[in-house]
Amino acid sequence: NAGVMQNPRHLVRRRGQEARLRCSPMKGHSHVYWYRQLPEEGLKFMVYLQKENIIDESGMPKERFSAEFPKEGPSILRIQQVVRGDSAAYFCASSPRTGGGDSPLHFGNGTRLTVT
Amino acid sequence: SQELEQSPQSLIVQEGKNLTINCTSSKTLYGLYWYKQKYGEGLIFLMMLQKGGEEKSHEKITAKLDEKKQQSSLHITASQPSHAGIYLCGARNEKLTFGTGTRLTIIP
Repeated sequence: NAGVMQNPRHLVRRRGQEARLRCSPMKGHSHVYWYRQLPEEGLKFMVYLQKENIIDESGMPKERFSAEFPKEGPSILRIQQVVRGDSAAYFCASSPRTGGGDSPLHFGNGTRLTVT
Repeated sequence: SQELEQSPQSLIVQEGKNLTINCTSSKTLYGLYWYKQKYGEGLIFLMMLQKGGEEKSHEKITAKLDEKKQQSSLHITASQPSHAGIYLCGARNEKLTFGTGTRLTIIP
């Protein structure tokens, strides 16, 4: 069974460019969560999605950031006009049910974004 | 919103020694998850606790949730280099909210 797959593992963008991060959840999982980890800091929740729906985006910055989880294909976290402060590790997690329930969230290995 | 505080923030332990990491919540915990993160990698699920007073063990790691369900501890017995990493506690609601993390270093 493949785990949560994130790509790319490393992404370098210049200021002002767009970054697109992809996440394929585990097979059978319909709930996807995105987290950001700044250097030497903890994991901060960004957004929670189900297929074609954003359930909770309370952790998303109001501008430049967007996320989607289409009916077909991976979940995408999109950052427009990146700035140096966006440099971080972005982790995706998936679960078969909301809130983890009695099933934990399964995490990918993350995408490390560096903005130069 | 629920806040989780972990202590200590970092820990350096000699190989073979025991250690404990604590996680305190500002609200009652309805599900407490422990994860481990190695540098440059994702999070590995360790254990989940739901009931007050619950205790679970896996190999040399034991996690407990207190009766009031506001504190959890993670105890490692006879630590090994493979235990090194960042340990994170997470509180379950619709999403998983994480504590600040404890960085564990094992020295020979």
